[in-house]
Amino acid sequence: QKEVEQDPGPLSVPEGAIVSLNCTYSNSAFQYFMWYRQYSRKGPELLMYTYSSGNKEDGRFTAQVDKSSKYISLFIRDSQPSDSATYLCAMSGGLSYNNNDMRFGAGTRLTVKP
Amino acid sequence: DGGITQSPKYLFRKEGQNVTLSCEQNLNHDAMYWYRQDPGQGLRLIYYSQIVNDFQKGDIAEGYSVSREKKESFPLTVTSAQKNPTAFYLCASSPPGRRGAFFGQGTRLTVV
Repeated sequence: QKEVEQDPGPLSVPEGAIVSLNCTYSNSAFQYFMWYRQYSRKGPELLMYTYSSGNKEDGRFTAQVDKSSKYISLFIRDSQPSDSATYLCAMSGGLSYNNNDMRFGAGTRLTVKP
Repeated sequence: DGGITQSPKYLFRKEGQNVTLSCEQNLNHDAMYWYRQDPGQGLRLIYYSQIVNDFQKGDIAEGYSVSREKKESFPLTVTSAQKNPTAFYLCASSPPGRRGAFFGQGTRLTVV
């Protein structure tokens, strides 16, 4: 079993839809949960990160963590064609002072159609 | 503009050859990382460095080598011992205590 599982999609939605992206994980030591956006043939860009359980909102994006279920989500409201990208979840235990313990999902490919 | 520069963007290598991928950052970050990205798999850590002249193996270091002679630079050499080197390679950096990393634009290596 992989430490981090993420449905690769592809996921296709119409413009303006609410998008839900999800990851599950097996390591209960994970404390920090991150979402990256990666455009085609580019490097990932950190969208947001949360610590432990709860919600965090940033504009049209909301990250949600449920540690009891080992399940994290990223919601995108009023989705735009420019949101079309691959979304990677990542998580770390926080014991390391830097990020060498990050574990990534395989990414979900999202297309928002005009 | 501050950021991470990887070069070249595309690289072709013949079997049996060593090749070096460049990574330069002007963000003044201490920590730097190399990841490999393959279709259907999450990013996997090859090597990381927390400080100049020091680096540690990640999860898949076999067949790779690195150096960290300057804070700004963290080149990765893919040696002939790496059995399946065709992949997208990503360099990243982060400041102390910050969760998440800043990534470069990647180098796509193809063995021909």
